[in-house]
Amino acid sequence: GQQLNQSPQSMFIQEGEDVSMNCTSSSIFNTWLWYKQDPGEGPVLLIALYKAGELTSNGRLTAQFGITRKDSFLNISASIPSDVGIYFCAGQLREYGNKLVFGAGTILRVKS
Amino acid sequence: DGGITQSPKYLFRKEGQNVTLSCEQNLNHDAMYWYRQDPGQGLRLIYYSQIVNDFQKGDIAEGYSVSREKKESFPLTVTSAQKNPTAFYLCASRLREGGSYKQYFGPGTRLTVT
Repeated sequence: GQQLNQSPQSMFIQEGEDVSMNCTSSSIFNTWLWYKQDPGEGPVLLIALYKAGELTSNGRLTAQFGITRKDSFLNISASIPSDVGIYFCAGQLREYGNKLVFGAGTILRVKS
Repeated sequence: DGGITQSPKYLFRKEGQNVTLSCEQNLNHDAMYWYRQDPGQGLRLIYYSQIVNDFQKGDIAEGYSVSREKKESFPLTVTSAQKNPTAFYLCASRLREGGSYKQYFGPGTRLTVT
């Protein structure tokens, strides 16, 4: 099936630091979604991006839809302990019946 | 209170038994999905349904079956033919706004088969 390369695989940062993670693919996507998953829970939608170059914020989170439509990044500013979790990117491919393709996730741990 | 509900949260079965996982949504979403998540891995699509009485196989449909008799409900049956059924199962539904889509997840069911 289709694949997204998400990096880094994990991060262990100090509280207050900024965080950056990204997803890349060889395919062109028409939508990018970013999710956060807490242990034992379902993923929660953080940000949705629909246009190449689009930059969208949600509180301390900012995500961008890459100009080439093959990548996206998520930044978290001034991290806090409750940011801990797994962050997933997901891309929607028209050629894939508009189904979502998921990255493997970035595990974020925060030292307070 | 709108949302996606999955029940039960934890499910235990003996090997060789079929088991059905429930997924209900009151969001009036047309499309619904089932994913499987294994430790340290991303989400893999099992089955999806875009309208009532219609569904398609995802990437890992073998050993699973679904039905979509009502818009609100999309139950997943894990059959005895599924070789590694122990996993975290996530149901999702999708909202379409114009040409844009947003997909929302339920809280998940953790299935353990021994």
